[in-house]
Amino acid sequence: ETGVTQSPTHLIKTRGQQVTLRCSSQSGHNTVSWYQQALGQGPQFIFQYYREEENGRGNFPPRFSGLQFPNYSSELNVNALELDDSALYLCASSLEIGGANTEAFFGQGTRLTVV
Amino acid sequence: GNSVTQMEGPVTLSEEAFLTINCTYTATGYPSLFWYVQYPGEGLQLLLKATKADDKGSNKGFEATYRKETTSFHLEKGSVQVSDSAVYFCALIGYNFNKFYFGSGTKLNVKP
Repeated sequence: ETGVTQSPTHLIKTRGQQVTLRCSSQSGHNTVSWYQQALGQGPQFIFQYYREEENGRGNFPPRFSGLQFPNYSSELNVNALELDDSALYLCASSLEIGGANTEAFFGQGTRLTVV
Repeated sequence: GNSVTQMEGPVTLSEEAFLTINCTYTATGYPSLFWYVQYPGEGLQLLLKATKADDKGSNKGFEATYRKETTSFHLEKGSVQVSDSAVYFCALIGYNFNKFYFGSGTKLNVKP
């Protein structure tokens, strides 16, 4: 167990709806990254938050947005859901963002199905 | 840019067979390299890592050596068990350190 908790574990939404996914990072970790893992694929970087500020973003449209709170927990919001947004969404927490020995701990993920 | 290519699966082996999963990378600068494992219905677990050329990462009988000359980080295990059945992901963190680049994953099936 990594100490990174994601909720909910599973979610079904209708196309066009909005969804919020949540992540509680490991104690003491100030950096949270979000990844999208489509079925049969490797995780793709969505964005990262460091001390409540966005610190890098992958190739995802603006309808993917995020937030990090003072306790370093985080939310991923997706607006105007599309069928292709169906995936496993993974949250990873780490202490600081740099250094070759940075280690990220992944949560169990939220399985989002868009119908 | 940064990218990771790993061998396609599934890989099916009998228990106690030797395992190799190939991984090659393209990166700017000097990346750190990782192997993650994903069991059915779960998130990613770090299996091993190497942070500089010629380093060998090892854990639970798995090994991988960071080969800068061949830009490779192949995963090996001398004797696999049924419990090793999972999907294995090769990944790197680039010089700016702020995100992982993952391969597409290799599914391993180990039969008794």
